[in-house]
Amino acid sequence: QSVVTQPPSVSGAPGQRVTISCTGTSSNIGARNDVHWYQQLPGTAPKLLIYGNNNRPAGVPDRFSGSRSGTSASLAITGLQAEDEADYYCQSYDTSLSVYVFGTGTKVTVL
Amino acid sequence: EVQLVESGGGLVQPGGSLRLSCAASGFTVSSNYMSWVRQAPGKGLEWVSVIYSSGDTSYAASVKGRFTISRHNSKNTLYLEMNSLRAEDTAVYYCTRGAAVGWFDPWGQGTLVTVSS
Repeated sequence: QSVVTQPPSVSGAPGQRVTISCTGTSSNIGARNDVHWYQQLPGTAPKLLIYGNNNRPAGVPDRFSGSRSGTSASLAITGLQAEDEADYYCQSYDTSLSVYVFGTGTKVTVL
Repeated sequence: EVQLVESGGGLVQPGGSLRLSCAASGFTVSSNYMSWVRQAPGKGLEWVSVIYSSGDTSYAASVKGRFTISRHNSKNTLYLEMNSLRAEDTAVYYCTRGAAVGWFDPWGQGTLVTVSS
């Protein structure tokens, strides 16, 4: 059972903006540990999408952005496209447990 | 090109053992933090274990005492020795390179471990 929670699903029409929340605790996100985001397309391995709260690796479109505040973080996708339909996971480090933690995951559906 | 390729998955009976391998190319395993992350069928991601560049290791509570992470420096390969396997260990196991308290990148394609009689 993950200590970091995300909404099970979000949806939006093409071109719309959607956001995914990632709620942690005072021992992980609230301890000022960085939050990272991954995109997992159906049947494939996860891919790094955002690192260090709000940084995009080379090749990731600027439609994807991240932020962190307090014990939570969020991922925003603007100009939603059909190819964005995937599962998204946030990830941080839990200082008290000394383990890496993943969020519960969110399925994004493009209507 | 930085790449990770896992192997060794398969069907094993409860209580059995299995060793996973992860061959790296494009970087040096021993100079990096390397982790195993698993994903049960239809479920989310779960971090399993890490081996630091120092050689120190850490494990999730769910596998501690049963799994052992190691590396072979000259083969540039990461391993996960899994003993006393349980049905709940059934998952796709991914190897990945990780930064200290940081992110995981890249990821291998994964190898499926099925624990069933």
